Amino acid sequence: DAKTTQPPSMDCAEGRAANLPCNHSTISGNEYVYWYRQIHSQGPQYIIHGLKNNETNEMASLIITEDRKSSTLILPHATLRDTAVYYCIVRVAGAGFQKLVFGTGTRLLVSP
Amino acid sequence: DAGVIQSPRHEVTEMGQEVTLRCKPISGHDYLFWYRQTMMRGLELLIYFNNNVPIDDSGMPEDRFSAKMPNASFSTLKIQPSEPRDSAVYFCASSLGSRKTGELFFGEGSRLTVL
Repeated sequence: DAKTTQPPSMDCAEGRAANLPCNHSTISGNEYVYWYRQIHSQGPQYIIHGLKNNETNEMASLIITEDRKSSTLILPHATLRDTAVYYCIVRVAGAGFQKLVFGTGTRLLVSP
Repeated sequence: DAGVIQSPRHEVTEMGQEVTLRCKPISGHDYLFWYRQTMMRGLELLIYFNNNVPIDDSGMPEDRFSAKMPNASFSTLKIQPSEPRDSAVYFCASSLGSRKTGELFFGEGSRLTVL
């Protein structure tokens, strides 16, 4: 699986958009970008994933650059409850490719 | 669905004792994962199963660790004998392999302290 690089920490004001970057310059054509987050003392939680098109769900938006070498997770209106460690993971999807390897992630602090 | 259920939530034991952590995956899921999380090493994948069969145990730290999945609804992670460096939060997760999303569902974790 391709390696990812994320900033160790970021700050965001409550109500503002949080934009979390991720570099994955060695991504392969069949690898997806996944985002998970881990709120303190809880298990990681799936947020969103994508291959090459931008994706949006009720939690966040995922913007993937055209060359797929980087992506940005967007939390449009961050709340205090969004304070967590956010993990960007790249891997092949589908049956037989279930293994997820976590990096160090970005610690997002949302402040009032 | 109740989600992935782990027990115990907290365990404090003395060095040398046997520790058994338990996991009940989401019904119908065919993949089960055991992760360990520490401040120093982050989230590490220890082992995972597909249809109750261990697929990859390369993350198991040493012979003191063993994991079993006797049926589709139950798995155990055993440490014998336990050591202080085994202190960590152990997470179990499950997934449905036929879904292309590959989403893993995690339990709340078992916090182990070895004195």
